[in-house]
Amino acid sequence: GDSVTQMEGPVTLSEEAFLTINCTYTATGYPSLFWYVQYPGEGLQLLLKATKADDKGSNKGFEATYRKETTSFHLEKGSVQVSDSAVYFCALSEEDDKIIFGKGTRLHILP
Amino acid sequence: EPEVTQTPSHQVTQMGQEVILRCVPISNHLYFYWYRQILGQKVEFLVSFYNNEISEKSEIFDDQFSVERPDGSNFTLKIRSTKLEDSAMYFCASSSQGVYEQYFGPGTRLTVT
Repeated sequence: GDSVTQMEGPVTLSEEAFLTINCTYTATGYPSLFWYVQYPGEGLQLLLKATKADDKGSNKGFEATYRKETTSFHLEKGSVQVSDSAVYFCALSEEDDKIIFGKGTRLHILP
Repeated sequence: EPEVTQTPSHQVTQMGQEVILRCVPISNHLYFYWYRQILGQKVEFLVSFYNNEISEKSEIFDDQFSVERPDGSNFTLKIRSTKLEDSAMYFCASSSQGVYEQYFGPGTRLTVT
């Protein structure tokens, strides 16, 4: 069945460092891909999405490109801030309406 | 900004008891979902609900689980006889257009003792 694999955390970086969180997926069809973020004590928020190959999703300085050839959707940010500390979830959905999530990657940004 | 709300934020119950988790979706949304996350594991789909009926459910969503939209605002998840392995964070979500824009609530942490 469909699945999402993302890098294990926690990831600890200094402020202004470059961030990459790797995500790969397995799907039978052509899924839409998402990154969700969960700040401490809050629910899951959609950070960005891409619905077809080569699409780039972006929001709040974060970017991810839908790479069909490598079945990947890596999350990147050029300069992280302390306020980016959260848990990040890579996810996919095919034509049915459920979302399949990865395990989540906890990100700590040090001032 | 409209948001999905969930109550209670934390529920402690004894094994075998019934629990009802409550959600208030965003008011003009038509699609409703429950997910759960066992501590340290991934977020898992439980059930989706549209037009007053279940549209899809996972294998986790067995006969012990049920969902209901008792009025125009609430969406509930009932577990009839809780088991220790039901301990998890339960997230409600809603959307107006299907899957691409699901909005999640803050979750209810259920602890079964």
